[in-house]
Amino acid sequence: AQSVTQLGSHVSVSEGALVLLRCNYSSSVPPYLFWYVQYPNQGLQLLLKYTSAATLVKGINGFEAEFKKSETSFHLTKPSAHMSDAAEYFCAVSAYSGGGADGLTFGKGTHLIIQP
Amino acid sequence: SQTIHQWPATLVQPVGSPLSLECTVEGTSNPNLYWYRQAAGRGLQLLFYSVGIGQISSEVPQNLSASRPQDRQFILSSKKLLLSDSGFYLCAWSVAGYNEQFFGPGTRLTVL
Repeated sequence: AQSVTQLGSHVSVSEGALVLLRCNYSSSVPPYLFWYVQYPNQGLQLLLKYTSAATLVKGINGFEAEFKKSETSFHLTKPSAHMSDAAEYFCAVSAYSGGGADGLTFGKGTHLIIQP
Repeated sequence: SQTIHQWPATLVQPVGSPLSLECTVEGTSNPNLYWYRQAAGRGLQLLFYSVGIGQISSEVPQNLSASRPQDRQFILSSKKLLLSDSGFYLCAWSVAGYNEQFFGPGTRLTVL
């Protein structure tokens, strides 16, 4: 079974500052990892995904994440925060390439607040 | 391109009333389909998933049921709503054999 822990239910940064959202996973096999973003009252949108091709993954809106096997982490970063980045961010893990019940396990989410 | 629709967008229902939420996917065939519930501070809880017409798997025992009458249609139902059924319901789909999921816009359900 796999699990995801997102450290910090709320993260506040100033506009222009570095964004760092933490995600640690547990998986008995090499994982597939995802970051999703959710704006208020909307569905989830895929930011980026790790599928073992490269440890540094670049996504949309200037976000990137680095897979570190030794730390079982997949932290999300963005060099310079923008007001439009304010949203809920979810990390997700899968131990399988296929869908079904084992498709994705989500963390509880991190609410990103951008201070002007 | 593929799109996913959910309706209604918002719903306010009294306790004990029935429920029917609908999700449809366009632009793909034989998708895997999923229903999630999102409660504040609790992330996403997988309720049901389906790998084909009439094939439904439930992840947690609850007051809800799901059906898949057509290849790209997924319905979430309840005969009698409880207060605890309030939440944001999300439908998602994935290509069969792949784990990347694509989400619909969601339905906000309030049970009073």
